Amino acid sequence: DAKTTQPTSMDCAEGRAANLPCNHSTISGNEYVYWYRQIHSQGPQYIIHGLKNNETNEMASLIITEDRKSSTLILPHATLRDTAVYYCIVLETGANSKLTFGKGITLSVRP
Amino acid sequence: NAGVTQTPKFQVLKTGQSMTLQCAQDMNHNSMYWYRQDPGMGLRLIYYSASEGTTDKGEVPNGYNVSRLNKREFSLRLESAAPSQTSVYFCASSEMRGYTEAFFGQGTRLTVV
Repeated sequence: DAKTTQPTSMDCAEGRAANLPCNHSTISGNEYVYWYRQIHSQGPQYIIHGLKNNETNEMASLIITEDRKSSTLILPHATLRDTAVYYCIVLETGANSKLTFGKGITLSVRP
Repeated sequence: NAGVTQTPKFQVLKTGQSMTLQCAQDMNHNSMYWYRQDPGMGLRLIYYSASEGTTDKGEVPNGYNVSRLNKREFSLRLESAAPSQTSVYFCASSEMRGYTEAFFGQGTRLTVV
């Protein structure tokens, strides 16, 4: 019972912005949107999370639509080191919270 | 500050052997997790521990046991390894379930022959 839907893969040119979409049409009011990434063979790495407002940190920006049914992770200036699998995760708060990964989207940054 | 440390990094077992994967975190986190990742797949949750003294099953607990030894350490035991348990195992920790980012170890690559 996947809570999120992501394309299988995408690519972008180095130095350009990478916009990674995610659909989460069944998200409920107490669920956050989290993004993690996994560079080949390494453990996943947290990127950013948000509830309903747009968020920005040193790694990326997260844009959540007003109805919260979809979001976009933006890497403003992609580099070759950003090539990875990116996971969009909807995570409820509270005692039953479980960080559950889907298949993610493979981002390939080309020179 | 090492973060989440997993040992060993690599292991080969024969079918039927047992072993324990060790995980330790130095961030004073309450919650710890064990995942497995098969080739080309996302991570699947095996067990988690919301706080010291508690453990709960995840998606794929069969064939595994866990021990939350103290706040720092969370071990995963394979009592009788099977080839289907060949995988990469990741341990993770977070300050509080569902609210904060999780930190992952670098993984244990286990092959059961």
